[in-house]
Amino acid sequence: EPEVTQTPSHQVTQMGQEVILRCVPISNHLYFYWYRQILGQKVEFLVSFYNNEISEKSEIFDDQFSVERPDGSNFTLKIRSTKLEDSAMYFCASSRTSGSGNEQFFGPGTRLTVL
Amino acid sequence: LAKTTQPISMDSYEGQEVNITCSHNNIATNDYITWYQQFPSQGPRFIIQGYKTKVTNEVASLFIPADRKSSTLSLPRVSLSDTAVYYCLVRRGSTLGRLYFGRGTQLTVWP
Repeated sequence: EPEVTQTPSHQVTQMGQEVILRCVPISNHLYFYWYRQILGQKVEFLVSFYNNEISEKSEIFDDQFSVERPDGSNFTLKIRSTKLEDSAMYFCASSRTSGSGNEQFFGPGTRLTVL
Repeated sequence: LAKTTQPISMDSYEGQEVNITCSHNNIATNDYITWYQQFPSQGPRFIIQGYKTKVTNEVASLFIPADRKSSTLSLPRVSLSDTAVYYCLVRRGSTLGRLYFGRGTQLTVWP
């Protein structure tokens, strides 16, 4: 069964540093998403991406965040200057289509710890 | 989007059927009901989706009454490995795919 993969599984960084979280979506999927989950909290939507541009973003996704699909397989989330409150699990997801019929497949997540 | 309400937690024993009910009183005509499962330190996993009546797959059944103001996820004969958080989501048919997760229901299955 195809799956979404994410690297690294755990990233530790110092406050103020830049981090890039990487994801490889399922190969025939066209829609890509990032979510995050702070420990003990809800899963929160960050951004969706389609056709090489952002489709939708939440209020969390401010100027410190950016996404990119640098090649045909990777999908990345960059946090330019990390803050303590960015510590969370970050999940990448992908889907073949959008809307009600689509099932989003989630990756295993990257645990980001900002010290 | 319609707000969903589901129990914070439920307990069950191995081999029992578990029914988790979710209320979504303000569901709109083109909204779908979707359930996801999440194990600790893992990403959510799609379980089942429906619009009305009953949907069944190899994992679960989803019952939706005619007024669609609630839905019930039914897990037959649960095992210890079904211990997880279960999320009920209402999805607008025309949206670009953003999922709104609530707190979910922590299901604990005991031996």
